[in-house]
Amino acid sequence: DARVTQTPRHKVTEMGQEVTMRCQPILGHNTVFWYRQTMMQGLELLAYFRNRAPLDDSGMPKDRFSAEMPDATLATLKIQPSEPRDSAVYFCASGSRDRGSLNYGYTFGSGTRLTVV
Amino acid sequence: DAKTTQPPSMDCAEGRAANLPCNHSTISGNEYVYWYRQIHSQGPQYIIHGLKNNETNEMASLIITEDRKSSTLILPHATLRDTAVYYCIVRGGGSNYKLTFGKGTLLTVNP
Repeated sequence: DARVTQTPRHKVTEMGQEVTMRCQPILGHNTVFWYRQTMMQGLELLAYFRNRAPLDDSGMPKDRFSAEMPDATLATLKIQPSEPRDSAVYFCASGSRDRGSLNYGYTFGSGTRLTVV
Repeated sequence: DAKTTQPPSMDCAEGRAANLPCNHSTISGNEYVYWYRQIHSQGPQYIIHGLKNNETNEMASLIITEDRKSSTLILPHATLRDTAVYYCIVRGGGSNYKLTFGKGTLLTVNP
């Protein structure tokens, strides 16, 4: 089965450091999402892209978070500077409407577990 | 997107059918019902979706009431590996691609 690949799987960093999380969407998928999951807030949508263009990043703290898609095979989520409250599991998901249906299920990666100390 | 209401937890015996309910009384005509699940420490997994007709795939069946205000996800023969949090999500059609997750239902399948 095709998979969404996220790296690293785990990251421990000190407060104030820059963190970069990477996502390789499924080949051919043109919609990419970033979600964050914590015990308190559950799954929150941070941002999503379609055809590499950002469509909505309203869920993302703009002062420290940035999301980009430098090419169709790579999406990145950066936090600079990181804070302890950013500790969470970050999921990337990809999907495509080009399957004969306007609505299609998205495939999630295994996530990056971030701990900021 | 319409809000959904799910019970926080349910139990099911292994081998029996698991029926997970979801209320979405404010759903509008062009909104789809999606179901995902999340097994511990994994990313959410797409299960099934539908608009107004009942749907079935290799994983589950989705029953949507005629007024579309509620739906039921059916796992016909639950196994221990089906223990997970199940999310019912209502999503608009067209160019709105977002999935907004609620708290879901923790289904525990017991031996």
